[in-house]
Amino acid sequence: NAGVTQTPKFQVLKTGQSMTLQCAQDMNHEYMSWYRQDPGMGLRLIHYSVGAGITDQGEVPNGYNVSRSTTEDFPLRLLSAAPSQTSVYFCASKSTEDTEAFFGQGTRLTVV
Amino acid sequence: AQTVTQSQPEMSVQEAETVTLSCTYDTSESDYYLFWYKQPPSRQMILVIRQEAYKQQNATENRFSVNFQKAAKSFSLKISDSQLGDAAMYFCAYRNPLLQGAQKLVFGQGTRLTINP
Repeated sequence: NAGVTQTPKFQVLKTGQSMTLQCAQDMNHEYMSWYRQDPGMGLRLIHYSVGAGITDQGEVPNGYNVSRSTTEDFPLRLLSAAPSQTSVYFCASKSTEDTEAFFGQGTRLTVV
Repeated sequence: AQTVTQSQPEMSVQEAETVTLSCTYDTSESDYYLFWYKQPPSRQMILVIRQEAYKQQNATENRFSVNFQKAAKSFSLKISDSQLGDAAMYFCAYRNPLLQGAQKLVFGQGTRLTINP
C-alpha cells in the first residue's frame, strides 16, 4: 500500500526556473493538500482540493499553482522559482470519513 | 483565525523519564479536532494521537497521553517511559471539520525533543 507518494525527494532550482512537484495517492481520498515547512514556522497550507476539478487557496498560495484533473494526482507548480520558496513541501490526503490526514515523505526544494 | 502556539522550541528528557510538551490554541469554534504529529529525521509526519473536542476524556495511545483543557484551550502531550526512538520534532495541530476545505490543519511551530541516554 503506497499511500501518498511525492516526487522528487530533493530538488535544486535556479531562480526563475519552473518545475512541478508531483503528489499521488492510491487511497481514493477526496481531499488533497500541499503544505510548506519552514524552520520555526511549522507547516503552512499552500493550496488544497476537495475533489477532482476543485481547488482553492490556502494560507500562502502566492507563487504556486495547482490543478486536480484526477482523484489520484495533485501536482504543485512553481512557475518562476524564487529563493523564498526554498522549503520542504508536504502533500497530504484525507477521506471525508477519516479524521486523520496522511502525509507524503516531503520534497526538499532549494532555490539558488 | 485559528492559531496554534507551542512555546517550547526544544525539550530534553532522560531515557525512561516522563516529559510533557505544551500546546495552546485559539479558536471561537466549539467543535474541532486536535492532533500531535511526530516528525523524525526521516521527515515523515506520523500521527501520534488525536482528540475530538466534544470528548471530555483525554486520549491515550500506549505511552502517549494528552491533557485536554477545553476552557483553557490547552492540549499538552505527555510521553511516559521515554525511549530513544521518541527523539523527533513534535507538532501540535488543529482542524475545524465544519469549514470548507475541512482537511486544513493549522500547525504550531514545533518542539524538538531530545532523549538523553
